[in-house]
Amino acid sequence: RKEVEQDPGPFNVPEGATVAFNCTYSNSASQSFFWYRQDCRKEPKLLMSVYSSGNEDGRFTAQLNRASQYISLLIRDSKLSDSATYLCVVTSTGTASKLTFGTGTRLQVTL
Amino acid sequence: GAVVSQHPSWVICKSGTSVKIECRSLDFQATTMFWYRQFPKQSLMLMATSNEGSKATYEQGVEKDKFLINHASLTLSTLTVTSAHPEDSSFYICSARNKVGHSNQPQHFGDGTRLSIL
Repeated sequence: RKEVEQDPGPFNVPEGATVAFNCTYSNSASQSFFWYRQDCRKEPKLLMSVYSSGNEDGRFTAQLNRASQYISLLIRDSKLSDSATYLCVVTSTGTASKLTFGTGTRLQVTL
Repeated sequence: GAVVSQHPSWVICKSGTSVKIECRSLDFQATTMFWYRQFPKQSLMLMATSNEGSKATYEQGVEKDKFLINHASLTLSTLTVTSAHPEDSSFYICSARNKVGHSNQPQHFGDGTRLSIL
């Protein structure tokens, strides 16, 4: 079983739609959780951290369920510029805090 | 925001050549930098953790003699792919974490190096 699992998609949605991505992780001792965005042939860029209490940044809302080892990202009012691959990222325990990446979920927003 | 610079962004060279990639943190000091590799349509895979002033820690299956890492200062880590072969062609990305702050704060990524070995 992969350490971090995501539905690869693609998710094709019209502009203005609301779309949700899910991610599960296998290591119950994982400490920190992030969503990164990666455009084609570019480096990943941090979108937002994910906290147990849930957090929101503009049109983006992230949720963490430690009991189910499940992370979600909700995008409201999708824009064309949201088209990208969204990577679920989990850190391991220990001082090195290595990032473990999911394979990503591809989103394509259309007119 | 924090900036990590990676150079070169694109390399095309013949099989057998050694290629050096630089990763610099421009506006912060990084005791730890990470090197990743990403093949097409796959996730980023951690290759090694680079620690300033000490030996790098390699992930299982990554040959330390083939992928030489040097982290001589708090702002620079280098990855040298020695005697590169076509199967080493990939997207190599570094990341760095500010030494100030909690060890679980987000990492900042360089813009990657696309390596093509002919």
